[in-house]
Amino acid sequence: DGGITQSPKYLFRKEGQNVTLSCEQNLNHDAMYWYRQDPGQGLRLIYYSQIVNDFQKGDIAEGYSVSREKKESFPLTVTSAQKNPTAFYLCASSIGAGARDTEAFFGQGTRLTVV
Amino acid sequence: GENVEQHPSTLSVQEGDSAVIKCTYSDSASNYFPWYKQELGKRPQLIIDIRSNVGEKKDQRIAVTLNKTAKHFSLHITETQPEDSAVYFCAASKWRSNDMRFGAGTRLTVKP
Repeated sequence: DGGITQSPKYLFRKEGQNVTLSCEQNLNHDAMYWYRQDPGQGLRLIYYSQIVNDFQKGDIAEGYSVSREKKESFPLTVTSAQKNPTAFYLCASSIGAGARDTEAFFGQGTRLTVV
Repeated sequence: GENVEQHPSTLSVQEGDSAVIKCTYSDSASNYFPWYKQELGKRPQLIIDIRSNVGEKKDQRIAVTLNKTAKHFSLHITETQPEDSAVYFCAASKWRSNDMRFGAGTRLTVKP
């Protein structure tokens, strides 16, 4: 299972604290994504990035922030402003805009629990 | 933005029977429609995809159909096996956009 790596697998946070989830890929993909997975709600898009130093809000960006300083890395920060942060977070990457095949490759996910 | 709806949310079939999962999308500009399978505790993985220039695509026991006029597409699994049990997600996006939106998922259970 190489290619795209998320860390840590499990993360616990106290209320009021910010926390950063790591996502690294060595697939030379331009596009990267963050999704949140809740039971019965599928995969909801938080942020996506088509290229370095560029990113766009998805459907549920409030309370989250991202950066894309390097092609390989797309960290997600869950801030204290996120009202219900306990969830399973999935990072993904794909070749990028303009490519015929836009299959997304997913990381193993990070389960965040607020305690 | 794109809105993808998926039905049913759960589906239980007997081994050997067929399973059909349906999705609708809202953005007529969407032209790429992948299906992902997520086994328990694992990451989603692409199982089949279809582009808007074709109406049907098959890969062994799996097929996907697309009706662009009605803006819906479906996943068909024939001769189901217990290892087909998983959550299946449909998605829609455009080739020159990385704004991929997923359906809510269907939990398929195949009873032996």
